[in-house]
Amino acid sequence: DTGVSQDPRHKITKRGQNVTFRCDPISEHNRLYWYRQTLGQGPEFLTYFQNEAQLEKSRLLSDRFSAERPKGSFSTLEIQRTEQGDSAMYLCASSSSGTGYYNEQFFGPGTRLTVL
Amino acid sequence: AQKITQTQPGMFVQEKEAVTLDCTYDTSDPSYGLFWYKQPSSGEMIFLIYQGSYDQQNATEGRYSLNFQKARKSANLVISASQLGDSAMYFCAMRSEKLVFGKGTKLTVNP
Repeated sequence: DTGVSQDPRHKITKRGQNVTFRCDPISEHNRLYWYRQTLGQGPEFLTYFQNEAQLEKSRLLSDRFSAERPKGSFSTLEIQRTEQGDSAMYLCASSSSGTGYYNEQFFGPGTRLTVL
Repeated sequence: AQKITQTQPGMFVQEKEAVTLDCTYDTSDPSYGLFWYKQPSSGEMIFLIYQGSYDQQNATEGRYSLNFQKARKSANLVISASQLGDSAMYFCAMRSEKLVFGKGTKLTVNP
């Protein structure tokens, strides 16, 4: 399977705990994106990387959130001191870079986080 | 700022009929891309169709076509010959770099 993979698929945690999610993009893609989707809403952009460089962060990404892509391959998204409002589906996507706007983003299956 | 508006929270269509899902957008960028994604209950986002702002013709992909009216800033998705497997959430999105999504339309195809 050469698609985008995410691990874990589901995570239940207690408020105040730290959680970390992993995303493995399509191997030849140098761009990697994180989105968050809450119930009844469309996905909202969190951050994106080109290779190992984090090029943009949304205001949604509070100080409790940190994302890394140390070798320009897989990425991790960590949430510290989780809150109930962090409960959401966290989606990862990857794409190639290039000119124009048609660089299709391929999405992973998502990690569903539930904070109790 | 870019914004996507999908005004139809839910739509119903009979199997084998066509359905149009509405999408309007707002941007000050002269160049942009418009996308439609399908999200079944499994949660993954499936790319359906793309329209570039400078494309002269409306995009088509199999049973999907995009009715792009640039002056009205609309990019409606038309699904022809609906199938039961088309039942899902549908999201319109705009891209400069990141994707900006609408709130989605839940399509239910009735047998």
